[in-house]
Amino acid sequence: GESVGLHLPTLSVQEGDNSIINCAYSNSASDYFIWYKQESGKGPQFIIDIRSNMDKRQGQRVTVLLNKTVKHLSLQIAATQPGDSAVYFCAEKIGGGAQKLVFGQGTRLTINP
Amino acid sequence: DTAVSQTPKYLVTQMGNDKSIKCEQNLGHDTMYWYKQDSKKFLKIMFSYNNKELIINETVPNRFSPKSPDKAHLNLHINSLELGDSAVYFCASRGGGRAPSTDTQYFGPGTRLTVL
Repeated sequence: GESVGLHLPTLSVQEGDNSIINCAYSNSASDYFIWYKQESGKGPQFIIDIRSNMDKRQGQRVTVLLNKTVKHLSLQIAATQPGDSAVYFCAEKIGGGAQKLVFGQGTRLTINP
Repeated sequence: DTAVSQTPKYLVTQMGNDKSIKCEQNLGHDTMYWYKQDSKKFLKIMFSYNNKELIINETVPNRFSPKSPDKAHLNLHINSLELGDSAVYFCASRGGGRAPSTDTQYFGPGTRLTVL
């Protein structure tokens, strides 16, 4: 079926440490994946995306890894800052023309000072 | 320079009322969406329009009626509001315009609907 799930609902890390947020997806035909950050009272904000022809993509302090063999996606945030505290969602693109994003349940990341 | 905007941000109303939420995007995108986020933060797509044409309808009750007067606007009208409609509703858009990727969806700030 269509589902994207996260292994951990909450994650707490010390400021300055690296964090890894994991995500499992179920549709092996999905060819596009995206991570969003949602701060309290705001809409989901695009962080980074990756297509299925790639295994890794890096942004500023963030890296997304894609393992198609086990249908696993992860978001790595380096040198976490208090502003990184938020709920993080992974999503997979379903469909071609009338495409839609199927979201995971979200992981709440808390950065401890 | 707001990319995707929604009004109102908060909406509190009684059961049985009819209400509308408006969405506008200035990104030049062709496709717009409505999502519902429940109290557990789960985001689920409701509708999608491409160039004013409905292309996705995720078995949403017909009390919900989206309307797209032009490709920059997608409004959501809800009739006979029920307690279970309380949620945060997000508008999103994608495709064309200035976006780096036509698959990336950009979200509005959300409308928190509370039905009493």
